[in-house]
Amino acid sequence: SSELTQDPAVSVALGQTVRITCQGDSLRTYYVSWFQQKPGQAPVLVIYGKNNRPSGIPDRFSGSSSGNTASLTFTGAQAEDEADYYCHSRDSSGNHLLFGGGTKVTVL
Amino acid sequence: QLQLQESGPGLVKPSETLSLTCTVSGGSITISSFSWGWIRQPPGKGLEWIGSMYYSGGTYYNPSLRNRVTISVDTSQNQFSLNLRSVTAADTAVYYCARGGIDYYGSGSSDWFDPWGQGTLVTVSS
Repeated sequence: SSELTQDPAVSVALGQTVRITCQGDSLRTYYVSWFQQKPGQAPVLVIYGKNNRPSGIPDRFSGSSSGNTASLTFTGAQAEDEADYYCHSRDSSGNHLLFGGGTKVTVL
Repeated sequence: QLQLQESGPGLVKPSETLSLTCTVSGGSITISSFSWGWIRQPPGKGLEWIGSMYYSGGTYYNPSLRNRVTISVDTSQNQFSLNLRSVTAADTAVYYCARGGIDYYGSGSSDWFDPWGQGTLVTVSS
């Protein structure tokens, strides 16, 4: 399969924990990276590899992986976390990159 | 601090060629451990990888665009460029350039893009 599947939308109460998932056959071989995109802005890398955060990304964000599913979790959801989140990895051939369809996170 | 900036026409006519340039500042485009990629996002839709190039060799394209796209580099200007031929309205999108990287682990590898340019909207219309 050459697809990465994400739930279109997720909502979370302020201060609660939310988990976003990304499924794909290639994830049995490759890790994902995760991007946060706010309206009108470029995507920002928040997690890559096993569970690495670029400088400036709060430790409320964490990543994990099991089988064909990768997850992005952030605790203590804040209003500023409301955004679209995309997973990114390789396809099963390993030769091409692709993105998941994105998950819109709403903080209630 | 590495920064990327896209530039090019905001309006392209159908059947013509879309040409964009990404200028890299704060670092060299010739570092072999990184790739340089183009990603686009149609209005209201998700991200689509267009292609990536490695200065040390190798250019890789999205199979759905391979027949129409070329990514090239100009080391004298520290820039890389995107050419997309025979455009249609479906190519209307915000186009981003980004630095790519890959980390290797015993159990696999991880690709990432960071940082990204601010993006530029290209509209295909007559």
